[in-house]
Amino acid sequence: EAEVAQSPRYKITEKSQAVAFWCDPISGHATLYWYRQILGQGPELLVQFQDESVVDDSQLPKDRFSAERLKGVDSTLKIQPAELGDSAMYLCASSSRLLAGGQDTQYFGPGTRLTVL
Amino acid sequence: QKEVEQNSGPLSVPEGAIASLNCTYSDRGSQSFFWYRQYSGKSPELIMFIYSNGDKEDGRFTAQLNKASQYVSLLIRDSQPSDSATYLCAVRVNYQLIWGAGTKLIIKP
Repeated sequence: EAEVAQSPRYKITEKSQAVAFWCDPISGHATLYWYRQILGQGPELLVQFQDESVVDDSQLPKDRFSAERLKGVDSTLKIQPAELGDSAMYLCASSSRLLAGGQDTQYFGPGTRLTVL
Repeated sequence: QKEVEQNSGPLSVPEGAIASLNCTYSDRGSQSFFWYRQYSGKSPELIMFIYSNGDKEDGRFTAQLNKASQYVSLLIRDSQPSDSATYLCAVRVNYQLIWGAGTKLIIKP
């Protein structure tokens, strides 16, 4: 069964350090999403790619966060420097293709639990 | 601002009973509606989606959509302890997927 892969599963870092997360979407999925989820809240979209292009990064804190999907397949999300408030679950999801109002469903990877000390 | 509202719960339901989860949304242009289940510490997994008014059934799960009243619900029949989780409602408006904060469901044996 095809799955979204993410690594690492857990990351503990100190404040002001750099961290990076990796995501490999389901094969053939053109659309990739990075979300942040704080305990007790719904996922918050950070960035959305269609192939290698950014479709939406309006909620990405660009002073410290960056994301890339250079070849339109796997993707990396980076935080530099990490802050205490960045502690959360970082989720990657993919869907086959972004369609306006479409029923394309998002499938999630296992997530990366980040703890900033 | 586009909003999706869910009662945070917890909603406690006896094993074998029907669990009813509700979600309201603010944007009348909403087109597709999704229910995800999320176990503690895990990522969301899709249960089902619906985009037409009425009911859609899949096994023990039934999604109900009423666009005029702007709500979507999820019914779980014959609730099992393994159904204990947080249920997230997500609503698509054009290219955006708007998420609710989820309802925590507890099934009591």
